[in-house]
Amino acid sequence: DVKVTQSSRYLVKRTGEKVFLECVQDMDHENMFWYRQDPGLGLRLIYFSYDVKMKEKGDIPEGYSVSREKKERFSLILESASTNQTSMYLCATLGTGATYEQYFGPGTRLTVT
Amino acid sequence: KNQVEQSPQSLIILEGKNCTLQCNYTVSPFSNLRWYKQDTGRGPVSLTIMTFSENTKSNGRYTATLDADTKQSSLHITASQLSDSASYICVVTPGWGRALTFGSGTRLQVQP
Repeated sequence: DVKVTQSSRYLVKRTGEKVFLECVQDMDHENMFWYRQDPGLGLRLIYFSYDVKMKEKGDIPEGYSVSREKKERFSLILESASTNQTSMYLCATLGTGATYEQYFGPGTRLTVT
Repeated sequence: KNQVEQSPQSLIILEGKNCTLQCNYTVSPFSNLRWYKQDTGRGPVSLTIMTFSENTKSNGRYTATLDADTKQSSLHITASQLSDSASYICVVTPGWGRALTFGSGTRLQVQP
């Protein structure tokens, strides 16, 4: 069974803290993504990675960085958390084939106070 | 700019009734269109995926249709259940298959 796991379901951090969100997949997918989801805005792409040590900026990369040292793990880093980064963060992978099935993790609800 | 627009934003129906959610897109080139169901506080789960050559795809009580000429899709839910209460998100993939364009979703509430 396909699995994408995220390190935390809920996280509360203070302004200025460095925050790490981890995502692990067991499907050997090359493509991995980090999105944030806010009410009324849908899912917005922060960063994605199509191979180990490769990364590309998405639509809203400011204030974030990523790390992909191993194929199965894709980390999102908030260098200095701010209150406007309070959101739901979703990790996803993208399979191969005609339909490019995408699988999502359960999400991490981050609150920055 | 590639866009995906969904309507209505929210919908309330009674248990057992049918409903139809709409998705219009301007993404080009087009590879496939997906519908996801997202329960509150959870990640999205795929319901259907359709390529440009498919007109209809069913998954139990969920039936998605696609008109690639008019760039419209719909998701029809038959005999709704309380467990159908969720957000339904339309997602379009451009030709090269990596960056997906998401609609903002329709929030469905099924009441007893």
